[in-house]
Amino acid sequence: GQNIDQPTEMTATEGAIVQINCTYQTSGFNGLFWYQQHAGEAPTFLSYNVLDGLEEKGRFSSFLSRSKGYSYLLLKELQMKDSASYLCAVRNNQGGKLIFGQGTELSVKP
Amino acid sequence: GAVVSQHPSRVICKSGTSVKIECRSLDFQATTMFWYRQFPKQSLMLMATSNEGSKATYEQGVEKDKFLINHASLTLSTLTVTSAHPEDSSFYICSATGIAGGNTDTQYFGPGTRLTVL
Repeated sequence: GQNIDQPTEMTATEGAIVQINCTYQTSGFNGLFWYQQHAGEAPTFLSYNVLDGLEEKGRFSSFLSRSKGYSYLLLKELQMKDSASYLCAVRNNQGGKLIFGQGTELSVKP
Repeated sequence: GAVVSQHPSRVICKSGTSVKIECRSLDFQATTMFWYRQFPKQSLMLMATSNEGSKATYEQGVEKDKFLINHASLTLSTLTVTSAHPEDSSFYICSATGIAGGNTDTQYFGPGTRLTVL
C-alpha cells in the first residue's frame, strides 16, 4: 500500500524560514511533488524531486531522500501570502498517478 | 504555458439531475488527464485516470456508471456526474500531463469546479 504523512498544521512568522516534512511509503516510487493550495482554489505546482538531493527555486526548496522515504519543503523569507495548504504527493510507476498527503495548513503571522 | 481550464467554476443543481464538467488543456496536448474530488478540509482523492481515445481507469470505490468520463481529444476531457445527490457535493478538480514546455512529468491542475447538489 501507500502512505504519506505530513503535519496537519504549522505556524510561522513573516520573514522567517519554515520546513514542512513529508514521509512516505510506496511501491514503485517515481517522483515526489509539492503543491500549494489556497482555500477554494486548485493546487499550483511548486517542485518536483525524483533523485536524492535539494532542488532550489527562488524562495522555495525541496529535498528528497529516497532511502529514508523523506522529503521536505523549505520556504524562506515567508510572506503573508504564503499562508496556504501545502500538499506532498508521490507518484508511482503505475500510470503516473499521484497520491496526495492530507496537506499541511501553514499560517504566516505578522 | 501549461494552463488547464475547467468549466463551469461553480454549479448548483437539483438532486437527480446530471452535471457535466469540462477540463481543457489550453496550450499543450494532454495525453493523460486525471479527475480528483476534494471534500472540505481534506486532501485530493483521485477518482479516475483518463487517456485520450481510451476508457478511463477508475479508482477503487468510484462508480464508473455514476461518474462518466470522456477524453475525446488531446485537449478535452469531461466528467459527468449522473443522477447527482447531495453527498456528491464537492470540489472537483482535473489535472493534465503532456508536452508542456518540454516537461512531461508534472500534473497541471485546473481551477476546480464547486458542485452543490440541493
